[in-house]
Amino acid sequence: ELKVEQNPLFLSMQEGKNYTIYCNYSTTSDRLYWYRQDPGKSLESLFVLLSNGAVKQEGRLMASLDTKARLSTLHITAAVHDLSATYFCAVANTGNQFYFGTGTSLTVIP
Amino acid sequence: SAVISQKPSRDICQRGTSLTIQCQVDSQVTMMFWYRQQPGQSLTLIATANQGSEATYESGFVIDKFPISRPNLTFSTLTVSNMSPEDSSIYLCSVNDGSSYEQYFGPGTRLTVT
Repeated sequence: ELKVEQNPLFLSMQEGKNYTIYCNYSTTSDRLYWYRQDPGKSLESLFVLLSNGAVKQEGRLMASLDTKARLSTLHITAAVHDLSATYFCAVANTGNQFYFGTGTSLTVIP
Repeated sequence: SAVISQKPSRDICQRGTSLTIQCQVDSQVTMMFWYRQQPGQSLTLIATANQGSEATYESGFVIDKFPISRPNLTFSTLTVSNMSPEDSSIYLCSVNDGSSYEQYFGPGTRLTVT
């Protein structure tokens, strides 16, 4: 079974600061996803990373994928309060079954 | 893209009873997936449901506890049987529309067992 580790579990950061969330996975996969979840809500798709070296950016969030290291990062630039949420990475196998990281609960403090 | 609806959105059930959750997709999809999210936890895959065949369950989940139906390419149900408080979770269905690598998740069914 594919295992996905994510850290940190909790992240409290001041507005305007930068930080990175890390996602490691245990076996080969060519698809890595990042989702955002607000309290009481379902998952919102942020990024789909499909190849080694893939980098995608949307606003203050940037995601990258290193398939050789089995590592993805989600970098937050100049955080704002609206980014407060829980962020999940997930790895998909060839059968489209998803295995999720533990999640990172992000709180941005004014 | 795919739009997914689930019913009910939430329910409070008594121990020992069963609840059937419905998942409807606005397009035909080959595979549908059911996930569980326990309070404050991540999502765990319960099973994969293909139309016309038995669902495939992940380790730790069994058909007697979580029977699944997949009568057509747009609909699936998950039943949580003989419920206990430990079954209190959000249950989400998910699909891939087949034309892209996007995976879509339903709004979830929030189940509380008392």
